Parts: sequence; structure tokens; C-alpha cells
Amino acid sequence: RKEVEQDPGPFNVPEGATVAFNCTYSNSASQSFFWYRQDCRKEPKLLMSVYSSGNEDGRFTAQLNRASQYISLLIRDSKLSDSATYLCAVSDNTDKLIFGTGTRLQVFP
Amino acid sequence: ETGVTQTPRHLVMGMTNKKSLKCEQHLGHNAMYWYKQSAKKPLELMFVYNFKEQTENNSVPSRFSPECPNSSHLFLHLHTLQPEDSALYLCASSQDVVQPQHFGDGTRLSIL
Repeated sequence: RKEVEQDPGPFNVPEGATVAFNCTYSNSASQSFFWYRQDCRKEPKLLMSVYSSGNEDGRFTAQLNRASQYISLLIRDSKLSDSATYLCAVSDNTDKLIFGTGTRLQVFP
Repeated sequence: ETGVTQTPRHLVMGMTNKKSLKCEQHLGHNAMYWYKQSAKKPLELMFVYNFKEQTENNSVPSRFSPECPNSSHLFLHLHTLQPEDSALYLCASSQDVVQPQHFGDGTRLSIL
């Protein structure tokens, strides 16, 4: 089983739609969780950290389910500019951050 | 504009060449990282430096040699690379090893 798994997609959604991605992790000792966004041929950029109680930043909501070992990212009211690859990253609080392969989102008009 | 700067942005080299990738961070961070990103593969951690000390070498071939002269600079020295080493090489930094990482633009490397 991969350490961090994501559905590669692509998820094709119309503008204004709500879309959610999940990311499962295998290490139950994982402590830190992040979502990154990566545009084509660009570097990953931190989108948001994921906190135990869940957290929201504008149209983006991140949640953690420790029992089932997954994190989720919900995007409301999708914009064309949200089209990108979304990477989840998981750490057990050592110096190693494990990334998923990413989920590609394409928002169409 | 990124607080992590990588040079060069693009590099084409032959298998017998020697070159170096440079990374500089202006964020006052204490940890720096090298990653390799190949098509359709997850980011692969290569090396970690924490307070200038190498703390992780993720089974990277010896043809890749990192150097961290101070907490703001990180180099990746390359020699006798193989075609499968062609990839995007990303540098990242973080305040410490449990904080979120910030990435540079990357160096796109092609081995002929």
C-alpha cells in the first residue's frame, strides 16, 4: 500500500460547482497534514494546513479523519482559476514529508 | 514572488558533464530540502538539511551530491547522470522540519 494515495482524476467540473478530494495515508502516527496546489510546470504552493478540528479558508475547507486515515479538501463555488493539481502531504513529525501523486482538477465554463 | 530561489531554471547536460543546482532561501528558515519530480510520480524526497546538518538521504545515487554551506543556501552537485535523471528538481525550505514547506520554482533538468 502506498504511504499517501490520491485519485489522480481528472475531475472535470463546471464553474460554480462544489468538488471534494480525498487523500488516504497509511502511517497511523502521522501528525501533520497539508494541501498544496501545483499549476502546470510550476512549483507546489502551500494551500492550507489541515488541523484536527477541520479548518476553512474562504471557499476551501480541509478536514482530517484520523479513524479512517484520510484528509479531504472541499472547494465550493469553483472558479476557472482553481484548475490545477492538488497534492496532499503527510508527515509523522520527523523531517520527512510524504506527498501524494496529486489530483488534477479542471474547471470548465 | 517566491522566497526560495533556484538557479538555473532549465539545464540540459550530457551524461559526462558536471553541473550544480543552486537554491537560496530568504525566509530565515532552518530546514532545506531537495525533491525530484518526474512525470506521473509523486514528489520524491532526496535530501534534508536541518540547521545545516544532513538528516536524510533517501537512498539517492551517489551521482547526486548535496552541499549546504549555510542555512540559506543549498546546492545539488551533479555528475555522470543518466537519462532517467531527467526531471524537475525542486528545492524547499521550512522554519523547522514539522512546519509547512515552501518551494522554489524548480530546475528542469534534461540529460542527453
